[in-house]
Amino acid sequence: DTGVSQNPRHKITKRGQNVTFRCDPISEHNRLYWYRQTLGQGPEFLTYFQNEAQLEKSRLLSDRFSAERPKGSFSTLEIQRTEQGDSAMYLCASSKDRSSYNEQFFGPGTRLTVL
Amino acid sequence: SQQGEEDPQALSIQEGENATMNCSYKTSINNLQWYRQNSGRGLVHLILIRSNEREKHSGRLRVTLDTSKKSSSLLITASRAADTASYFCATDRGNTGGFKTIFGAGTRLFVKA
Repeated sequence: DTGVSQNPRHKITKRGQNVTFRCDPISEHNRLYWYRQTLGQGPEFLTYFQNEAQLEKSRLLSDRFSAERPKGSFSTLEIQRTEQGDSAMYLCASSKDRSSYNEQFFGPGTRLTVL
Repeated sequence: SQQGEEDPQALSIQEGENATMNCSYKTSINNLQWYRQNSGRGLVHLILIRSNEREKHSGRLRVTLDTSKKSSSLLITASRAADTASYFCATDRGNTGGFKTIFGAGTRLFVKA
């Protein structure tokens, strides 16, 4: 299967700890997106990359959040000093950049629970 | 705040009936897309309509776009129990405005067998 993969699928952590999630996009996709989704809501845009360049970052992202895509392939999302309000599903998606279409393929998500 | 707003928030219909969901957005767009999310599963892309298109079909799906009203509708015909899911519209501004994608809060569709 060459879909978008995310690891881990579940993460339980204590408040104040740092966590890091990984996303592996579909191999020929140059755009990579991170979203956060809470129960009953739609995905909330966090940031996106075109290759290794982080082109846009939501104002919702505090300084505790950082994302990288060092070689333009996989990406990591780190949350420092986690808070209970960070509990959510973190979704990654990828799309091709060779056209103005932006059909995104989503991974299964990483569910974060902050105790 | 979310750009797309769907209505209704929830919809319950009988199998075989049609389901219509609406989406409104606030700024100019390049693309508008509809996604489906089943309980416990990931988001799946359903259909994309570009800002210069007015209607698009894909199987049992029909999407319309009215850029003057900043609104879109998704029609699912002859619904099935397997169509039970949350449906989201999503917009971006494309090559000129960027591909930041904004999702609405979704419409929860329940199709009774």
